[in-house]
Order: sequence, then structure tokens, then C-alpha cells
Amino acid sequence: GAGVSQSPRYKVAKRGQDVALRCDPISGHVSLFWYQQALGQGPEFLTYFQNEAQLDKSGLPSDRFFAERPEGSVSTLKIQRTQQEDSAVYLCASGGGGSSYEQYFGPGTRLTVT
Amino acid sequence: QKEVEQDPGPLSVPEGAIVSLNCTYSNSAFQYFMWYRQYSRKGPELLMYTYSSGNKEDGRFTAQVDKSSKYISLFIRDSQPSDSATYLCAMSVFSGAGSYQLTFGKGTKLSVIP
Repeated sequence: GAGVSQSPRYKVAKRGQDVALRCDPISGHVSLFWYQQALGQGPEFLTYFQNEAQLDKSGLPSDRFFAERPEGSVSTLKIQRTQQEDSAVYLCASGGGGSSYEQYFGPGTRLTVT
Repeated sequence: QKEVEQDPGPLSVPEGAIVSLNCTYSNSAFQYFMWYRQYSRKGPELLMYTYSSGNKEDGRFTAQVDKSSKYISLFIRDSQPSDSATYLCAMSVFSGAGSYQLTFGKGTKLSVIP
């Protein structure tokens, strides 16, 4: 079946612009995670949803980062007033539930802030 | 010191060689240990996971966990050029927020030369 999809795949933003990144998880998956992957680094946790509830946002680097999942399926990660240090690949992963440790990743959105 | 340490390489081996990839960790609370493979400009793909100390084999891949030494390994037998990718170790513990948040190593870039 279809895996996790993300859009856009590539985004170039000028410093100070707002961006919105979309994630379509695997159908029926309860858990949804966002990670940030800087060049040459492993992914780092940003936030976690169980259905529509955002249960953990401890990894969000600043209040410019905001995520939502209003109907418990599609999720959007929004970054306001982008800065150069926000340049990274943003990965979305979905999983079967809170007790499931398996996470399936999308291809990511590569954000470049100029 | 990061919670998970992984030598970034790069590692270059001839086709058919046995590859050994390793990670060390400091958090003794980690419960699940995973290896992900990430091709260039793609999302991480789950290869193997283990829960307890010991070995787990899947085809040409063997995952090994030594909780007493806080050390995990991935062995690839009869390596193929298609194995060329970045290999990420990841570990998780069930968090108070109700999810298995993953903590990744930096990744080791592997090239298998025909």
C-alpha cells in the first residue's frame, strides 16, 4: 500500500518567510512524528501526535515552530519567520500506535532558507 | 556527550566483504534498538529492530545488542553495491508522553565498490 508522503519535496524560502510542510501518514496509523535532519546528522525528534492530540512537543526548537493534525490524519508543520539555521530536511514518520515502536518515514522535505 | 555515538565514516569496502557498523549509547533506559538504511535524498527505511541483548538475523543482516556494554552492531554479509547508503542506529524508550521517541546516531556512510 501507499507509504508516508510529504510535500513539497523541496522548498526554498527567503529569511523571514513563513513555510508550511505537509505530511500524509499511512492510512490508519495513529502515531505521527516530525523529525529534523541537518546535513550529515541523524534525525532529531521535534513533536509527536496520537490521533489529533499533540502529546509531545519537547523537541520543537523555538516558538516559531508549530505543528497540527486537526483530523487525526494529515499533519502540517509550520515554521514562521524562517532563519538560516532552519535549513534542514524535515521528516515525517507514522506508526501503528503509542505502544508501537516501529516508525515508517516519508521522503522528507528539504528546506533551504536563503 | 550525545546519548548515541556513531562513527560517521565514510566506510568503503569491496563487493562481497563483511561490513560491521557500530553504535554506543549512554542511556541505560533505552529499550528498543533499530537500524535504519537511508539512501541519498530518501527517508530512513527500517531494516531491523531488537529488544533484548543477543543476536537477530535476517538474511544477510545480523543485529547484535550488548546492553551490559551499551553497544550495538549491524553486520552485513556478502555486501552488494546496492547496500551503499547511510546506516543509522536508533534507540527508543517509552516516554511519559506515550510514545516511542527515537534517538538516532549520526549515521555511517557505506560505499560497496564493485
